[in-house]
Amino acid sequence: NAGVMQNPRHLVRRRGQEARLRCSPMKGHSHVYWYRQLPEEGLKFMVYLQKENIIDESGMPKERFSAEFPKEGPSILRIQQVVRGDSAAYFCASSSLRDSHSNQPQHFGDGTRLSIL
Amino acid sequence: SQQGEEDPQALSIQEGENATMNCSYKTSINNLQWYRQNSGRGLVHLILIRSNEREKHSGRLRVTLDTSKKSSSLLITASRAADTASYFCATDPSGSARQLTFGSGTQLTVLP
Repeated sequence: NAGVMQNPRHLVRRRGQEARLRCSPMKGHSHVYWYRQLPEEGLKFMVYLQKENIIDESGMPKERFSAEFPKEGPSILRIQQVVRGDSAAYFCASSSLRDSHSNQPQHFGDGTRLSIL
Repeated sequence: SQQGEEDPQALSIQEGENATMNCSYKTSINNLQWYRQNSGRGLVHLILIRSNEREKHSGRLRVTLDTSKKSSSLLITASRAADTASYFCATDPSGSARQLTFGSGTQLTVLP
């Protein structure tokens, strides 16, 4: 009965490198949400995806950031040419199609802590 | 202030006391949710209250919602040291969008 799985838990990159964060939603969930949390702050929405579709990316920076949720495999949040300001915890949440249309909570993973040297 | 602002930012109480945290928001909502986050960990869902509900209980948790004032409160009764964590409210806005809007949280410390 695995919950939302994120990996890696910790990721260290040097400025200019690429970071790839993975999220496997709960079994049966087809909706994925990515959030970013800066130290001492709440989570900020980035992007909402369904299988093979980006539904809402209004919270994701236009440059360097991209997200996908392929038909098979985990959702990927990709950050190109990372900068120090990208250091944060990135959380993924998932819900089912039914949950997305009703008052049901999203289920969160434990996050990936990205550190940029 | 941002949607889903909690206050106080930090709260320190003795074990056994009650802890009350407040949350204010700005837009219409489907529901409001409270989450807990231990240091370095993910979010754990505590309780969800729908926009047509005024009060909800779950164990030692009591949540109220006042949609006319766009505010909610979370009460933890008979607190324990293990309740030490950050608590966030999150609003699920009306309409088709489901992205949650989080406040900046209340850091609760329960002293043994």
